[in-house]
Amino acid sequence: RKEVEQDPGPFNVPEGATVAFNCTYSNSASQSFFWYRQDCRKEPKLLMSVYSSGNEDGRFTAQLNRASQYISLLIRDSKLSDSATYLCVATFGGAQKLVFGQGTRLTINP
Amino acid sequence: DARVTQTPRHKVTEMGQEVTMRCQPILGHNTVFWYRQTMMQGLELLAYFRNRAPLDDSGMPKDRFSAEMPDATLATLKIQPSEPRDSAVYFCASGSQGTGKDFGPGTRLLVL
Repeated sequence: RKEVEQDPGPFNVPEGATVAFNCTYSNSASQSFFWYRQDCRKEPKLLMSVYSSGNEDGRFTAQLNRASQYISLLIRDSKLSDSATYLCVATFGGAQKLVFGQGTRLTINP
Repeated sequence: DARVTQTPRHKVTEMGQEVTMRCQPILGHNTVFWYRQTMMQGLELLAYFRNRAPLDDSGMPKDRFSAEMPDATLATLKIQPSEPRDSAVYFCASGSQGTGKDFGPGTRLLVL
Protein backbone atom coordinates (compact mmCIF):
# COMPACT_ATOMS: atom_id res chain seq x y z
CA ARG A 1 0.00 0.00 0.00
CA LYS A 2 1.30 3.46 -0.91
CA GLU A 3 2.00 5.76 2.01
CA VAL A 4 -0.12 8.53 0.48
CA GLU A 5 -2.91 7.65 -1.92
CA GLN A 6 -4.91 9.88 -4.20
CA ASP A 7 -7.44 9.36 -6.96
CA PRO A 8 -5.34 10.13 -10.06
CA GLY A 9 -8.35 11.43 -11.98
CA PRO A 10 -8.46 13.02 -14.44
CA PHE A 11 -11.14 15.36 -13.24
CA ASN A 12 -12.75 17.45 -15.96
CA VAL A 13 -15.12 20.09 -14.66
CA PRO A 14 -16.69 23.24 -16.12
CA GLU A 15 -15.49 26.64 -15.11
CA GLY A 16 -17.26 27.88 -12.02
CA ALA A 17 -17.86 24.41 -10.59
CA THR A 18 -16.81 23.23 -7.17
CA VAL A 19 -14.40 20.32 -7.10
CA ALA A 20 -13.12 18.24 -4.21
CA PHE A 21 -10.11 15.94 -3.90
CA ASN A 22 -9.46 13.43 -1.18
CA CYS A 23 -6.28 11.78 -0.09
CA THR A 24 -5.46 9.12 2.50
CA TYR A 25 -2.22 8.48 4.35
CA SER A 26 -1.09 5.28 6.00
CA ASN A 27 1.25 6.49 8.73
CA SER A 28 -0.65 7.63 11.81
CA ALA A 29 2.53 9.32 13.03
CA SER A 30 2.42 11.79 10.13
CA GLN A 31 2.75 15.26 11.55
CA SER A 32 2.24 17.85 8.84
CA PHE A 33 0.20 17.91 5.70
CA PHE A 34 0.21 20.02 2.57
CA TRP A 35 -1.32 20.40 -0.83
CA TYR A 36 1.00 21.19 -3.71
CA ARG A 37 0.13 22.20 -7.22
CA GLN A 38 2.18 21.18 -10.24
CA ASP A 39 1.76 22.64 -13.70
CA CYS A 40 2.89 20.74 -16.77
CA ARG A 41 6.70 20.58 -17.01
CA LYS A 42 7.11 22.70 -13.90
CA GLU A 43 8.15 22.03 -10.32
CA PRO A 44 5.61 21.40 -7.57
CA LYS A 45 4.63 24.55 -5.71
CA LEU A 46 3.17 24.75 -2.24
CA LEU A 47 -0.53 25.58 -2.42
CA MET A 48 -1.43 25.45 1.25
CA SER A 49 -0.81 23.73 4.53
CA VAL A 50 -3.53 21.58 6.06
CA TYR A 51 -4.52 21.97 9.70
CA SER A 52 -6.76 19.85 11.89
CA SER A 53 -9.10 22.78 12.37
CA GLY A 54 -9.43 23.23 8.63
CA ASN A 55 -8.14 26.25 6.80
CA GLU A 56 -9.19 28.41 3.94
CA ASP A 57 -7.28 30.51 1.44
CA GLY A 58 -9.59 32.34 -0.90
CA ARG A 59 -11.42 29.78 -3.01
CA PHE A 60 -9.44 26.90 -1.53
CA THR A 61 -10.35 24.99 1.63
CA ALA A 62 -8.28 22.21 3.14
CA GLN A 63 -9.40 19.75 5.80
CA LEU A 64 -7.62 17.12 7.84
CA ASN A 65 -9.27 14.19 9.57
CA ARG A 66 -6.65 12.51 11.74
CA ALA A 67 -8.97 9.78 12.98
CA SER A 68 -9.69 8.61 9.46
CA GLN A 69 -6.27 9.63 8.13
CA TYR A 70 -7.54 11.60 5.20
CA ILE A 71 -7.00 15.04 3.80
CA SER A 72 -9.24 16.97 1.46
CA LEU A 73 -9.02 19.98 -0.81
CA LEU A 74 -12.06 21.91 -1.99
CA ILE A 75 -11.87 24.41 -4.83
CA ARG A 76 -14.86 26.71 -5.21
CA ASP A 77 -15.76 28.77 -8.28
CA SER A 78 -13.04 27.03 -10.29
CA LYS A 79 -11.08 29.03 -12.84
CA LEU A 80 -9.36 27.93 -16.03
CA SER A 81 -6.07 28.72 -14.32
CA ASP A 82 -6.79 26.07 -11.68
CA SER A 83 -6.03 23.37 -14.26
CA ALA A 84 -3.02 21.50 -12.89
CA THR A 85 -2.06 18.39 -10.99
CA TYR A 86 -2.72 18.57 -7.26
CA LEU A 87 -0.40 16.64 -4.98
CA CYS A 88 -1.23 15.58 -1.47
CA VAL A 89 1.70 15.43 0.96
CA ALA A 90 2.20 13.95 4.39
CA THR A 91 5.34 14.33 6.47
CA PHE A 92 6.81 12.37 9.30
CA GLY A 93 10.06 11.90 11.09
CA GLY A 94 12.27 14.43 12.75
CA ALA A 95 13.38 15.93 9.48
CA GLN A 96 9.85 16.26 8.12
CA LYS A 97 10.32 13.75 5.34
CA LEU A 98 7.83 14.68 2.62
CA VAL A 99 5.89 11.82 1.05
CA PHE A 100 3.84 12.68 -2.01
CA GLY A 101 0.75 11.11 -3.44
CA GLN A 102 0.59 10.32 -7.14
CA GLY A 103 -1.31 13.52 -7.83
CA THR A 104 -4.79 14.27 -9.15
CA ARG A 105 -5.01 15.83 -12.55
CA LEU A 106 -7.63 18.57 -12.87
CA THR A 107 -8.80 20.23 -16.07
CA ILE A 108 -11.21 23.16 -15.93
CA ASN A 109 -13.17 23.53 -19.14
CA PRO A 110 -14.53 26.84 -20.46
CA ASP B 1 12.03 36.23 -3.81
CA ALA B 2 14.46 33.49 -2.74
CA ARG B 3 14.47 30.34 -4.85
CA VAL B 4 16.08 26.95 -4.98
CA THR B 5 18.36 26.75 -7.99
CA GLN B 6 19.41 23.63 -9.85
CA THR B 7 21.97 22.99 -12.55
CA PRO B 8 21.99 21.82 -15.22
CA ARG B 9 18.39 22.28 -16.25
CA HIS B 10 18.72 19.67 -18.98
CA LYS B 11 21.20 16.85 -19.47
CA VAL B 12 21.48 14.31 -22.25
CA THR B 13 24.14 11.66 -21.82
CA GLU B 14 25.04 8.20 -22.89
CA MET B 15 24.66 5.10 -20.81
CA GLY B 16 27.66 4.53 -18.59
CA GLN B 17 28.56 8.18 -18.19
CA GLU B 18 28.71 9.99 -14.88
CA VAL B 19 26.03 12.58 -14.20
CA THR B 20 26.33 15.25 -11.52
CA MET B 21 23.38 17.44 -10.57
CA ARG B 22 23.73 20.44 -8.30
CA CYS B 23 21.35 22.31 -6.07
CA GLN B 24 21.63 25.54 -4.14
CA PRO B 25 19.03 25.55 -1.36
CA ILE B 26 17.43 28.71 -0.05
CA LEU B 27 19.68 30.44 2.47
CA GLY B 28 18.61 29.57 5.99
CA HIS B 29 16.78 26.36 5.10
CA ASN B 30 18.15 23.44 7.08
CA THR B 31 16.54 20.52 5.25
CA VAL B 32 17.32 19.50 1.67
CA PHE B 33 15.58 16.80 -0.31
CA TRP B 34 16.26 15.08 -3.63
CA TYR B 35 13.28 13.70 -5.54
CA ARG B 36 12.93 11.91 -8.84
CA GLN B 37 9.77 12.20 -10.91
CA THR B 38 8.63 9.91 -13.69
CA MET B 39 5.23 9.40 -15.26
CA MET B 40 5.01 5.88 -13.90
CA GLN B 41 6.27 6.39 -10.35
CA GLY B 42 5.40 9.99 -9.60
CA LEU B 43 7.60 11.81 -7.08
CA GLU B 44 10.00 9.46 -5.32
CA LEU B 45 12.15 10.60 -2.42
CA LEU B 46 15.77 9.66 -3.03
CA ALA B 47 17.60 11.27 -0.11
CA TYR B 48 17.36 14.06 2.41
CA PHE B 49 19.60 16.04 4.68
CA ARG B 50 19.13 18.05 7.82
CA ASN B 51 21.80 20.55 8.77
CA ARG B 52 23.92 18.96 6.01
CA ALA B 53 23.82 15.52 7.63
CA PRO B 54 22.30 12.72 5.54
CA LEU B 55 19.24 11.34 7.32
CA ASP B 56 17.78 8.89 4.87
CA ASP B 57 18.90 7.72 1.47
CA SER B 58 16.95 4.49 1.44
CA GLY B 59 15.12 5.56 -1.70
CA MET B 60 18.33 5.70 -3.68
CA PRO B 61 19.99 2.84 -5.60
CA LYS B 62 23.18 2.68 -3.53
CA ASP B 63 25.34 1.05 -6.12
CA ARG B 64 25.16 3.95 -8.55
CA PHE B 65 23.70 6.98 -6.78
CA SER B 66 25.32 9.20 -4.19
CA ALA B 67 24.15 12.40 -2.52
CA GLU B 68 26.26 14.87 -0.57
CA MET B 69 26.17 18.33 0.93
CA PRO B 70 29.73 19.62 0.92
CA ASP B 71 28.51 22.90 2.40
CA ALA B 72 25.28 24.63 3.34
CA THR B 73 24.94 26.24 -0.07
CA LEU B 74 25.45 23.16 -2.23
CA ALA B 75 23.87 19.74 -2.51
CA THR B 76 24.93 17.26 -5.17
CA LEU B 77 23.42 14.11 -6.62
CA LYS B 78 25.66 11.86 -8.67
CA ILE B 79 24.87 8.88 -10.83
CA GLN B 80 27.75 6.67 -11.88
CA PRO B 81 27.34 4.83 -14.16
CA SER B 82 24.09 6.17 -15.58
CA GLU B 83 21.51 3.89 -17.17
CA PRO B 84 18.53 4.60 -19.47
CA ARG B 85 16.12 3.82 -16.61
CA ASP B 86 17.56 6.81 -14.72
CA SER B 87 15.91 9.14 -17.23
CA ALA B 88 13.60 11.36 -15.21
CA VAL B 89 13.23 14.84 -13.77
CA TYR B 90 15.30 15.28 -10.62
CA PHE B 91 14.07 17.89 -8.17
CA CYS B 92 15.83 19.41 -5.22
CA ALA B 93 13.73 20.97 -2.45
CA SER B 94 14.66 22.85 0.69
CA GLY B 95 12.82 24.00 3.76
CA SER B 96 12.81 24.60 7.46
CA GLN B 97 11.39 22.41 10.20
CA GLY B 98 7.61 22.26 10.11
CA THR B 99 7.11 24.19 6.92
CA GLY B 100 6.32 23.30 3.35
CA LYS B 101 9.27 22.89 1.09
CA ASP B 102 10.35 24.94 -1.90
CA PHE B 103 11.27 23.06 -5.03
CA GLY B 104 13.87 23.94 -7.59
CA PRO B 105 13.03 23.91 -11.31
CA GLY B 106 14.45 20.41 -11.74
CA THR B 107 17.06 18.75 -13.93
CA ARG B 108 15.63 16.86 -16.88
CA LEU B 109 17.90 13.89 -17.46
CA LEU B 110 17.86 11.70 -20.53
CA VAL B 111 20.21 8.74 -20.64
CA LEU B 112 20.53 7.19 -24.08
